[in-house]
Amino acid sequence: QVQLVQSGSELSKPGASVKISCRASGYTFTKYSIHWVRQAPGTGLEWMGWINTKTGSPTSALGFTGRFVFSLDTSVSTTYLEITNLKADDTAVYFCSRPGSGFWGQGTLVAVSS
Amino acid sequence: QAVVTQEPSLTVSPGGTVTLTCASSTGAVTSGHYPYWFQQKPGQAPRTLIYDTANRHSWTPARFSGSLLGGRAALTLSGAQPEDEADYYCLLSYDGSRWVFGGGTKVTVL
Repeated sequence: QVQLVQSGSELSKPGASVKISCRASGYTFTKYSIHWVRQAPGTGLEWMGWINTKTGSPTSALGFTGRFVFSLDTSVSTTYLEITNLKADDTAVYFCSRPGSGFWGQGTLVAVSS
Repeated sequence: QAVVTQEPSLTVSPGGTVTLTCASSTGAVTSGHYPYWFQQKPGQAPRTLIYDTANRHSWTPARFSGSLLGGRAALTLSGAQPEDEADYYCLLSYDGSRWVFGGGTKVTVL
């Protein structure tokens, strides 16, 4: 069956970087794009962007350019979200998803604190 | 960037009907926005209920239906159950490449 499995929680300091993974299984990886969604504590969902898994081309929402980088490794059916120069308000749960197909990762908590 | 607006909260009686709406700051919502609807319960990942305006997934209860209503996307819950108490989010596509979530609607079944 289709699964999106994300890497575990991260606790980091301001200014550091984190790289979250989202491993896909149960389907042909390059057939569907992967979207990333952020949810800060007690707030709603924010669409961050998506990556074309066939071409590797990323598209970011305004507000998620520069420090937020989408990448992939087709050899292991995995997409990545790297966040550089972490700030306290990056603290959130990050989800990968194939929203149209209805498949979501379990979410990865990134906590940024000095 | 477009702003997508939903009702912050709605209350429905058990067995009752409630309609959630999703409006775009750029004008009328159309099928070209490919409206999606998601349900999220505390501590859980979102669950996709409706895609492309009105299509249900196999796991979507028949009491949920999607439509376009008065220039907005709409999610109607008919015959509300206690387990339908959750946050609901719409997602709209702009130019097929960028997407925007609404702020979410907290539905209380009371």
